[in-house]
Amino acid sequence: NAGVMQNPRHLVRRRGQEARLRCSPMKGHSHVYWYRQLPEEGLKFMVYLQKENIIDESGMPKERFSAEFPKEGPSILRIQQVVRGDSAAYFCASSYRIQETQYFGPGTRLLVL
Amino acid sequence: RKEVEQDPGPFNVPEGATVAFNCTYSNSASQSFFWYRQDCRKEPKLLMSVYSSGNEDGRFTAQLNRASQYISLLIRDSKLSDSATYLCVVNADTGRRALTFGSGTRLQVQP
Repeated sequence: NAGVMQNPRHLVRRRGQEARLRCSPMKGHSHVYWYRQLPEEGLKFMVYLQKENIIDESGMPKERFSAEFPKEGPSILRIQQVVRGDSAAYFCASSYRIQETQYFGPGTRLLVL
Repeated sequence: RKEVEQDPGPFNVPEGATVAFNCTYSNSASQSFFWYRQDCRKEPKLLMSVYSSGNEDGRFTAQLNRASQYISLLIRDSKLSDSATYLCVVNADTGRRALTFGSGTRLQVQP
């Protein structure tokens, strides 16, 4: 049973480009969470999704960031017009039910030049 | 004030030592508590949940004090492989399902 999968593991973008980060939850998990970790800081919640629904996006920046979790396929975190401050590790986690243990993927390290 | 506060360390201890980490949280409505471990440039992994009665898992003991809003982790007989960053994590019952992470305490176990 594969764990949470994220790709790409590393992503380099120039300022102004778009970044797309993908997350496939563990088999049977329908709850997906995205977190961001800036260098030398803790993880910060961004968004919580269930299939086809955004449940809580209180941690998402108001502009340039969006997330989806379609009926088929992985969850996508999309960052438009990236800036250097977007450079961070982006982790996805999934759980089987609400309030159950969240299992993390290996993360995508985004570097904006 | 941060929602979850931890001493960043680093804690440098010799193999075999006992080391304790503390954490405080600000939201009194918090319902679930965890310690995660994060190795350098890796994802966080659940170490253990923390219960009001305290719980133990091998060399690791976790305690929760709701009145003081304080969580602790004790590691006995430290191993080199325990070197990592330990994250105090809280889940508040506010309708949000997200975990709130402390910034972590770095442990370096030395031979």
